[in-house]
Amino acid sequence: GAVVSQHPSRVICKSGTSVKIECRSLDFQATTMFWYRQFPKQSLMLMATSNEGSKATYEQGVEKDKFLINHASLTLSTLTVTSAHPEDSSFYICSARVGQVDVGPQHFGDGTRLSIL
Amino acid sequence: GQNIDQPTEMTATEGAIVQINCTYQTSGFNGLFWYQQHAGEAPTFLSYNVLDGLEEKGRFSSFLSRSKGYSYLLLKELQMKDSASYLCAVTDSNYQLIWGAGTKLIIKP
Repeated sequence: GAVVSQHPSRVICKSGTSVKIECRSLDFQATTMFWYRQFPKQSLMLMATSNEGSKATYEQGVEKDKFLINHASLTLSTLTVTSAHPEDSSFYICSARVGQVDVGPQHFGDGTRLSIL
Repeated sequence: GQNIDQPTEMTATEGAIVQINCTYQTSGFNGLFWYQQHAGEAPTFLSYNVLDGLEEKGRFSSFLSRSKGYSYLLLKELQMKDSASYLCAVTDSNYQLIWGAGTKLIIKP
């Protein structure tokens, strides 16, 4: 149970392109989803918390106009990296908690490796 | 500030036992998690402790002492596939998840 699907797994594109990443909870409803970024050999960094039906909450230093988050349903959140540049190349991972409970584990998608040329 | 400390790297031998420690200083406590992350992959959930004591799950066990702000992950009968990073994370009083930097575990034959 508690499966999170993330798509695509890998993106390679030119600088200036916008990239959309989808995160789906397959067998449960997720009121809250989380978007992380991880650079090589570094720890997970929370970018934003995605709330169904409302605006996302962004961490300090994360540009909300560059990283657009939409959480339109209880099973889908999307992250769009707008006008991506080489410095945005990273491993992007989403996660979700089961139901509306604030405690309990986050279940992760498989991640999206983004490479901007 | 909020802080989670765990060793950067550990080495152990196949078949042996290893204990990975985690200490935390957070504003409140609502649970501690251990995750496993293989290189190039997303983390996978291993264990959750909210009360003091030992939680055993197969070859993996996790211990928590809230009064000491301390946890450990114990891995028994180590296998080569256990080579990975192990992440400790704590939920604080605001239900924010605070992540440690992870411990890279290297298993040698």
